[in-house]
Amino acid sequence: AQTVTQSQPEMSVQEAETVTLSCTYDTSESDYYLFWYKQPPSRQMILVIRQEAYKQQNATENRFSVNFQKAAKSFSLKISDSQLGDAAMYFCAYLRTGANNLFFGTGTRLTVIP
Amino acid sequence: SAVISQKPSRDICQRGTSLTIQCQVDSQVTMMFWYRQQPGQSLTLIATANQGSEATYESGFVIDKFPISRPNLTFSTLTVSNMSPEDSSIYLCSVDPTGESNYGYTFGSGTRLTVV
Repeated sequence: AQTVTQSQPEMSVQEAETVTLSCTYDTSESDYYLFWYKQPPSRQMILVIRQEAYKQQNATENRFSVNFQKAAKSFSLKISDSQLGDAAMYFCAYLRTGANNLFFGTGTRLTVIP
Repeated sequence: SAVISQKPSRDICQRGTSLTIQCQVDSQVTMMFWYRQQPGQSLTLIATANQGSEATYESGFVIDKFPISRPNLTFSTLTVSNMSPEDSSIYLCSVDPTGESNYGYTFGSGTRLTVV
């Protein structure tokens, strides 16, 4: 079974600084998708960014970017110019192509310090 | 993207009773998903609900405990039956708005259930 590991239960960053959240995954598949979701206290899961495994180029969405290392099975999220509204739980997720089940990591709680 | 309305947002229930959670989507979707997030834990898929067919349950989840209805393409319910304190969790409804799961799912705001 696929596993997704987030080794940092908690992280903190100063406002306007940059922070990187780590994620590793285990799969024997070559075709899959990776996601980062944000869960603020409102509990709503919000899609932050997605990466297609067959694309070597790292995905970017405004202040959010990923460092996707397929051989190392690593998928980290970089948040630049951190804002107070970025404070939330961040979940890394894996989806095998053609499947429906999103496998989530255990999450990283990000605190943004004013 | 789809907008999901999930009700109730929270509830406190007595053990042995049942709670039905509703999920309403503002557009027609083929698949709807129900997830459980236990306290301090990650999300785990309970079942996938397709309109017009029986829900497909993941390992560790059974229909008698978590019956699901999917009467149309915009609505689904999840019932948590014969509740015990171990059922205290956040339950989230999710949909695949594009029909191509590769683009990620949209989630409701969840139902925080406390069983006493």
